[in-house]
Amino acid sequence: GESVGLHLPTLSVQEGDNSIINCAYSNSASDYFIWYKQESGKGPQFIIDIRSNMDKRQGQRVTVLLNKTVKHLSLQIAATQPGDSAVYFCAEKRDSSYKLIFGSGTRLLVRP
Amino acid sequence: DAGVIQSPRHEVTEMGQEVTLRCKPISGHNSLFWYRQTMMRGLELLIYFNNNVPIDDSGMPEDRFSAKMPNASFSTLKIQPSEPRDSAVYFCASSLGWGDSYNSPLHFGNGTRLTVT
Repeated sequence: GESVGLHLPTLSVQEGDNSIINCAYSNSASDYFIWYKQESGKGPQFIIDIRSNMDKRQGQRVTVLLNKTVKHLSLQIAATQPGDSAVYFCAEKRDSSYKLIFGSGTRLLVRP
Repeated sequence: DAGVIQSPRHEVTEMGQEVTLRCKPISGHNSLFWYRQTMMRGLELLIYFNNNVPIDDSGMPEDRFSAKMPNASFSTLKIQPSEPRDSAVYFCASSLGWGDSYNSPLHFGNGTRLTVT
């Protein structure tokens, strides 16, 4: 559904540990997914994307996993750093629609 | 690459005034989007342009909102007259391509924080 940002779930991790941020999407017809990072006072920053014909994609220190059976998307961040502290959004594009629908976001806090 | 450039960064205005937000997309990108972000509703798509033509404006709240894209390097979002409930952060984003068969990620500007008193 449409994003609602009133209460953000928070993930707190120790610096150097791996982080896993999860996202459930609603439409089985969605064919393109994007993860964004948003820092305070800035716009969403593109991290990584994945198309529905893939189940895994890796970038620099990040991996996105897509499980279409249960409509679940995850973002894994290796060796989490203080600079990774931000709100992370997953977004889905539904087949035959122009809209990119954003999830409600997860706040990642990295403890030094 | 300068990224998507938005101006102004902050705008404070009184109810009833006209507000114009500006956006310069990334050079070479043919798709442009206007989004609004609030605490209550998160990120909402207002309007989508492809090759300077409005394709989907179903997210525009009401007739007080209008958007134009006179050329490939400039777009405006206008609110006239503005109301306190329009207070939000407005983002512009551009993409190399967006459509049924090909999708390239949206790249966002740093937004305009609008406060209507």
